[in-house]
Amino acid sequence: GAGVSQSPSNKVTEKGKDVELRCDPISGHTALYWYRQRLGQGLEFLIYFQGNSAPDKSGLPSDRFSAERTGESVSTLTIQRTQQEDSAVYLCASSSNTGHEQFFGPGTRLTVL
Amino acid sequence: AQSVTQLDSQVPVFEEAPVELRCNYSSSVSVYLFWYVQYPNQGLQLLLKYLSGSTLVKGINGFEAEFNKSQTSFHLRKPSVHISDTAEYFCAVRSGGYQKVTFGTGTKLQVIP
Repeated sequence: GAGVSQSPSNKVTEKGKDVELRCDPISGHTALYWYRQRLGQGLEFLIYFQGNSAPDKSGLPSDRFSAERTGESVSTLTIQRTQQEDSAVYLCASSSNTGHEQFFGPGTRLTVL
Repeated sequence: AQSVTQLDSQVPVFEEAPVELRCNYSSSVSVYLFWYVQYPNQGLQLLLKYLSGSTLVKGINGFEAEFNKSQTSFHLRKPSVHISDTAEYFCAVRSGGYQKVTFGTGTKLQVIP
């Protein structure tokens, strides 16, 4: 079946511009996660959605970052007024209500010039 | 709060030699533990997981890990590595009843021919 998909796969933007990253989780997965992976570093948790509960936003690094999720489907991560330090691979993952494994998308590589 | 520590950022090892990648966690409640692997230029995939039961868990590609509650560790081992095992390995923890997963900073395994 279809896995987690993310778009775009690559995004180059100029400093100060806004960007939107999209994640399509596996159908039926109630949990959705966003992570950031800077070059040569580990995964940094950003935000977590679980069903209709309030999202856990504790990992968002600043108020320039926000994310939304429509029901139990698509999620968008928005970065406003991008800065060079936002350059990273942004990973999305989903998991089912009863499962424990996270399934990762291929990521979006964001480059801020 | 839960956290994961991977003390070794890089581990070089000769082909066919054994390897152990260390992972220590902290959590005040029962835990689920995971190892994920990220091959060069690929997404993350699950290597193995501990949910309950036997403390020795076997995963894909000949890897295994042992859950040690008293030492709060979940070290990953392989008796004989191959060139194809060159990748970055991430340990992760999820506390019981809480969906958020916390990842370690990763260990780069470099297999030397």
